[in-house]
Amino acid sequence: DQQVKQNSPSLSVQEGRISILNCDYTNSMFDYFLWYKKYPAEGPTFLISISSIKDKNEDGRFTVFLNKSAKHLSLHIVPSQPGDSAVYFCAVRGFSGGYNKLIFGAGTRLAVHP
Amino acid sequence: NAGVTQTPKFRVLKTGQSMTLLCAQDMNHEYMYWYRQDPGMGLRLIHYSVGEGTTAKGEVPDGYNVSRLKKQNFLLGLESAAPSQTSVYFCASSPLKSGGEVEQFFGPGTRLTVL
Repeated sequence: DQQVKQNSPSLSVQEGRISILNCDYTNSMFDYFLWYKKYPAEGPTFLISISSIKDKNEDGRFTVFLNKSAKHLSLHIVPSQPGDSAVYFCAVRGFSGGYNKLIFGAGTRLAVHP
Repeated sequence: NAGVTQTPKFRVLKTGQSMTLLCAQDMNHEYMYWYRQDPGMGLRLIHYSVGEGTTAKGEVPDGYNVSRLKKQNFLLGLESAAPSQTSVYFCASSPLKSGGEVEQFFGPGTRLTVL
């Protein structure tokens, strides 16, 4: 059973508008949440993160929101730009085997068109 | 700094053949990881290492072996490749931070096809 779910495989947004990517998780013990961005033929790169003690973290055009009661994470990109077109993975930090590890969602492919 | 590099970038194998994927990082990170990415399934952890000479199983370890003889290198081996191992393989590394963030740095990936 997937512990991290990104229910939208794809999202299309017009340039200049807001992109909202969503992620749901199952375990309330997860304490750290991250978003990664991936371009074709490249490895994922870290984008933004949030600790469970916060409900919002902002970095330029990117804002991550955390709703712990709903076990829901979202990434807002405002304004969206064509260069933001990529696959976005959410990830959560889980503890097992004595170490912290990341658990990834399946990804959402964002297309920003002019 | 090159960051995390992976060799080779592409490979085609026949069922039953063996191969080794090499990952190298120049950031002096303690932790290293091997993931596979399949359509609709995101990144799944195969094996990981928390330091030189140590390895541990991840979520999908069957059919793979790993070794970390040097801190900067993490090798992933397929002893007898199967078509189910057709995937894109990513290596990652992260520094040791007590209780802190666990940002991982990824390599560019290796696309493996097993016929």
